Amino acid sequence: GENVEQHPSTLSVQEGDSAVIKCTYSDSASNYFPWYKQELGKRPQLIIDIRSNVGEKKDQRIAVTLNKTAKHFSLHITETQPEDSAVYFCAASRGSGAGSYQLTFGKGTKLSVIP
Amino acid sequence: DVKVTQSSRYLVKRTGEKVFLECVQDMDHENMFWYRQDPGLGLRLIYFSYDVKMKEKGDIPEGYSVSREKKERFSLILESASTNQTSMYLCASSSSGGFGSFGSGTRLTVV
Repeated sequence: GENVEQHPSTLSVQEGDSAVIKCTYSDSASNYFPWYKQELGKRPQLIIDIRSNVGEKKDQRIAVTLNKTAKHFSLHITETQPEDSAVYFCAASRGSGAGSYQLTFGKGTKLSVIP
Repeated sequence: DVKVTQSSRYLVKRTGEKVFLECVQDMDHENMFWYRQDPGLGLRLIYFSYDVKMKEKGDIPEGYSVSREKKERFSLILESASTNQTSMYLCASSSSGGFGSFGSGTRLTVV
């Protein structure tokens, strides 16, 4: 089965700096890679995703890059703000077949943005 | 927007009790999932279902079973609750068109 490793487990940055979270996956058949943000006491919320036919995707201050050859993908947050403080999860899945979009998650990164 | 509803936000049960966690989705999705979330361990898949009456084990199925009698409803069953099953349980759904969303979660405490 799929295995997703996520680093670092905790990350502290000064407000305005950039934050980078990295994940690796094991199943070369995985083709869908979402990132979730989870605030305390709330459900995980999708913030950005990327499919294997794309190398990079941006949405305002958030970007995700994917290297299929190396089987790793990264989340980049620029100009961090205190409200970016949360736990972030990466995930990987296949986008087809029975149980499609069955997500395997990394263990999470607790991001703290220091004002 | 997909709505996934979990019937209970908080539950406290006694060791040995049979526990039912209910999940309903309103988008006619084929696939439904139960995850367990624990600090430092992320979200781990317990069971999933890709059709009515169909189920597949995930990464940590021991001590759990599931039921999917109707397409919109997916139930997680703890046959005999134990303290190590104290956790946050999250339900989710997906279709071939993409991942749906998570329910708001059920925080289960087994005493």
